[in-house]
Amino acid sequence: TQLLEQSPQFLSIQEGENLTVYCNSSSVFSSLQWYRQEPGEGPVLLVTVVTGGEVKKLKRLTFQFGDARKDSSLHITAAQTGDTGLYLCAGGGYNFNKFYFGSGTKLNVKP
Amino acid sequence: DTGVSQDPRHKITKRGQNVTFRCDPISEHNRLYWYRQTLGQGPEFLTYFQNEAQLEKSRLLSDRFSAERPKGSFSTLEIQRTEQGDSAMYLCASSPKYRVYNEQFFGPGTRLTVL
Repeated sequence: TQLLEQSPQFLSIQEGENLTVYCNSSSVFSSLQWYRQEPGEGPVLLVTVVTGGEVKKLKRLTFQFGDARKDSSLHITAAQTGDTGLYLCAGGGYNFNKFYFGSGTKLNVKP
Repeated sequence: DTGVSQDPRHKITKRGQNVTFRCDPISEHNRLYWYRQTLGQGPEFLTYFQNEAQLEKSRLLSDRFSAERPKGSFSTLEIQRTEQGDSAMYLCASSPKYRVYNEQFFGPGTRLTVL
């Protein structure tokens, strides 16, 4: 059983479309991170959100942390083929001992 | 800064054999994590080191798995008497000290196939 549930599991869209992926949990996290992973490689950190209600923007990507620090969303504007990959959210507790990952959203952006 | 490196990148072994993987974290990163990832899933936490001390170990980690981090630098993960269910990508990540929120930097992983 995953502590963090991500939805949708798969998403296939045309270049230029917008999309949102979600990361939900019944647990509270001190911080939540989003990663992108290419096939055969390790995840690469995109952002860390730490404050309930926080919104962070990185170019076309907007990340939001829920007020209760239990959920998060990632919104991509005008998707590009280079955005294709597996998007993972990961929640951390108040110590550094363990991180929990969601099962990921596999995004395919078609030209 | 050369990033986290892992060796080997791929390992094929027969059931029952022992295998050992190595992880070299980013220098001066005192926190080191091992994860396992199977196809279609997110990484699953295995164990955590702060310097040379193993502070956390997943209940999923059977007695066949052991990890070490001598001198608080590189780490090794050994799997004894491998089983087909051990086939997965094994990921290592490191994190710097003095960071309030734990940002992990991952290596490229070691893909294990047990025949």
